[in-house]
Amino acid sequence: DIQMTQSPSSLSASVGDRVTITCRASQSVTNYLSWYQQKPGKAPKLLIYIASSLQSGVPSRFSGSGSGTDFTLTISSLQPEDFATYYCQQGHSIPYTFGQGTKLEIK
Amino acid sequence: QVQLQQWGAGLLKPLETLSLTCEIHGGSFSGYYCSWIRQPPGKGLEWIGEINQSGSTNYNPSLKSRVTISVDTSRNQFSLKLSSVTAADTAVYYCARGGINWGQGTLVTVSS
Repeated sequence: DIQMTQSPSSLSASVGDRVTITCRASQSVTNYLSWYQQKPGKAPKLLIYIASSLQSGVPSRFSGSGSGTDFTLTISSLQPEDFATYYCQQGHSIPYTFGQGTKLEIK
Repeated sequence: QVQLQQWGAGLLKPLETLSLTCEIHGGSFSGYYCSWIRQPPGKGLEWIGEINQSGSTNYNPSLKSRVTISVDTSRNQFSLKLSSVTAADTAVYYCARGGINWGQGTLVTVSS
């Protein structure tokens, strides 16, 4: 299985901050990488697919980059509704594995 | 607007079979793989498997011997069966279409 490792596991930040979350794959996933946002008690929400494509309806402050084994999710200016847990997922090889999650908390 | 509605038993005894169904409203399977994903309480996400409109499936090897995913295109539904459950299968189970549209989640608890 391809192992996905996110860093950091948790992060405290303030409204208006620029935040970057990193996801590293144990082997190349080319650009088959998605990012999800999950709030407590809710299903995950797709933010980014194919590493850098913004899902329809997702605010432009979210962006993704990377290829191969190293990927980043950037939130350019944190809003109150962005405090949540973020997961990366590779869609290159079965099983489609997720990172362990990054919990973004209010400072 | 596409919505997924899922249902199934929420409390099982060890060795019973988990059975969940997901219905797609406002859309179809066309061009999408539909998946099942689970999340143990307080933990991360685990991909269980997927199916397309033609019934072609892919499963997580760690669960493959116990999992069956099926599709009923006439009803716009797909289903998950997981046999011989144990406490380790306790989780919120989600259905999803293409990763874009998700069901509301079903908490399945396995307890004697």
